[in-house]
Amino acid sequence: KAGVTQTPRYLIKTRGQQVTLSCSPISGHRSVSWYQQTPGQGLQFLFEYFSETQRNKGNFPGRFSGRQFSNSRSEMNVSTLELGDSALYLCASSQNPKTEAFFGQGTRLTVV
Amino acid sequence: QKEVEQDPGPLSVPEGAIVSLNCTYSNSAFQYFMWYRQYSRKGPELLMYTYSSGNKEDGRFTAQVDKSSKYISLFIRDSQPSDSATYLCAMSGGFGNEKLTFGTGTRLTIIP
Repeated sequence: KAGVTQTPRYLIKTRGQQVTLSCSPISGHRSVSWYQQTPGQGLQFLFEYFSETQRNKGNFPGRFSGRQFSNSRSEMNVSTLELGDSALYLCASSQNPKTEAFFGQGTRLTVV
Repeated sequence: QKEVEQDPGPLSVPEGAIVSLNCTYSNSAFQYFMWYRQYSRKGPELLMYTYSSGNKEDGRFTAQVDKSSKYISLFIRDSQPSDSATYLCAMSGGFGNEKLTFGTGTRLTIIP
């Protein structure tokens, strides 16, 4: 069974630009969650989608948004990038996100 | 104060030693408790999860949850160099709360 696939693996963007990250979940998983990982804050929850609906949202500004498609694939968008958005963005897919979340390898975003 | 506290380490132990990793938490709504392992430049990998209080064993790994003390532990027996990684505890709450709240992670090195 294929794991969670995130693309691209690495990105370098300039302040003020926007970026879109993609996540393909494990086949059959309908829940997709996004997390931001930084050395100072650790892993922080961004949002969770289930059957194309945002079900939970973390404490991030509105510049961070996402969506989920009918095939469960998900995208995350960050607009007006700031230096502090530099981080590893992780996507996790689940059948039951409370008990198991399978993570992709992440997208390393660097904002310069 | 963070909802989940975890000693960041780093922790170095000789091969074959028993390793004890711990987290404390403040949110009494947490019901599901997980341990993840993260190798450098990889996404977190689920090791095991426990529901409510009690012990769970999987090979060389044992997870313990004490809800009365709001304290969880992961023990690694007969530690191997391949166990060298960052270990993250994670927790989730009741109905409608599918997000995972993570500790900041403990960096573990097993010395051959």
